[in-house]
Amino acid sequence: QVQLVQSGSELKLPGASVKVSCKASGYTFSSYSMNWVRQAPGQGLQWMGWISTNTGNPGNPTYVQGFTGRFVFSLDTSVTTAYLQISSLKAEDTAMYYCARAVPYGDGDAFDIWGQGTMVTVSS
Amino acid sequence: QSVLTQPPSASGTPGQRVTISCSGSSSNIGSNTVNWYQQLPGAAPKLLIYSNNQRPSGVPDRFSGSKSGTSASLAISGLQSEDEADYYCAAWDDSLNWVFGGGTKLTVL
Repeated sequence: QVQLVQSGSELKLPGASVKVSCKASGYTFSSYSMNWVRQAPGQGLQWMGWISTNTGNPGNPTYVQGFTGRFVFSLDTSVTTAYLQISSLKAEDTAMYYCARAVPYGDGDAFDIWGQGTMVTVSS
Repeated sequence: QSVLTQPPSASGTPGQRVTISCSGSSSNIGSNTVNWYQQLPGAAPKLLIYSNNQRPSGVPDRFSGSKSGTSASLAISGLQSEDEADYYCAAWDDSLNWVFGGGTKLTVL
């Protein structure tokens, strides 16, 4: 079935880096963009940006303000996997990170498939 | 502070009808469609309503959506205990961002 499976929880020291993976299966990976959404503890959903999986122009990530510099989206199309790397981790990066597929639905797009989430905890 | 405004909480008794509002602006809800997501406790969000009022396959018809101007609403009729969850509205903003509401925690009394 169509699914996104993310890597497991991470506990990191401040200043370290983390790389979260999102493995897609059950559909043509290159057909739909991959998005990243953050949810801080007890908070709402925040869109971080997206990356194109199109075989003609893979990569080319777009980052929302507030997620530039330390956040990097990447792909390995050979294994249909998207990655989120966060460097110089801070305590305020502690959150659940979701990958989500964006698909044309009706007159717009929607995130129809979500990963199960990866909890990143930054603590000394 | 979220771009879209939702009430932080809502509640109802089993069988009741409840509505959750979502207020935006001309750059998001006013010019683009609205999606709703349901997040059950400890789970990832799930697409509940897309394109203002359409249900993906498998979503019960107890759930319905509507949009008027710069506001949208999610209605749940015949409330059930398993509907207890957080609900988020979302829309594309013309500033080239997806924006979400702050979420509404629905309690089934």
